[in-house]
Amino acid sequence: QLQLQESGPGLVKPSETLSLTCTVSGGSISSSTYYWDWIRQPPGKGLEWIGSIYYSGTTQYNPSLKSRVTISVDTSKHQFSLKLSSVTAADTAVYYCARVSYSYYMDVWGTGTTVTVSS
Amino acid sequence: QSALTQPPSASGSPGQSVTISCTGTHTDVGGYIYVSWYQQHPGKAPKLMIYEVTKRPSGVPDRFFGSKSGNTASLTVSGLQAEDEADYYCTSYAGSNNLVFGGGTKLTVL
Repeated sequence: QLQLQESGPGLVKPSETLSLTCTVSGGSISSSTYYWDWIRQPPGKGLEWIGSIYYSGTTQYNPSLKSRVTISVDTSKHQFSLKLSSVTAADTAVYYCARVSYSYYMDVWGTGTTVTVSS
Repeated sequence: QSALTQPPSASGSPGQSVTISCTGTHTDVGGYIYVSWYQQHPGKAPKLMIYEVTKRPSGVPDRFFGSKSGNTASLTVSGLQAEDEADYYCTSYAGSNNLVFGGGTKLTVL
């Protein structure tokens, strides 16, 4: 059964770059059927789509975050990663990775990792 | 792209039905069949409940029903049970490989 697990620092200083990795186990990250996404949820608020990557490296980002986001994939490590630059307190959130089908639904989610932006 | 509009709260008594709406535009909800719904219990990751407007993944009870009319999608939960109390989010494809979420609805089982 496919599982996703987020990892990375839980605390990031303002103006620095947030870096997270999602490790895929129990299935292939190189499947042509799926995309791999990052989603976040600020404390007490709703979900926000950050962006998506295909195993080939093709990416798509939320226009509101596009200038600060980079998503990459390492198929040899079964991982995909998120970098968010110039963070502020508004970037404090639980960050989730998820598998997304060809028809744009997220059928497998990681457990989420909390990132706090604070000095 | 703007977030889809959901009511902040909804409620019903056990056994009753409740419907949660998700309103977008012709460029997202109204333009595609790619609407999905997620259930999120406190402190947990979201769980897929409905995809492609009406389809239920294996294991999701048939008490959960999805539909769409124009720019508004809806999730109906019938025969409410205590474990249905959760936050519910809709999402839609919005073109150019973009996705947009609704603001979420807190469902309370009275």
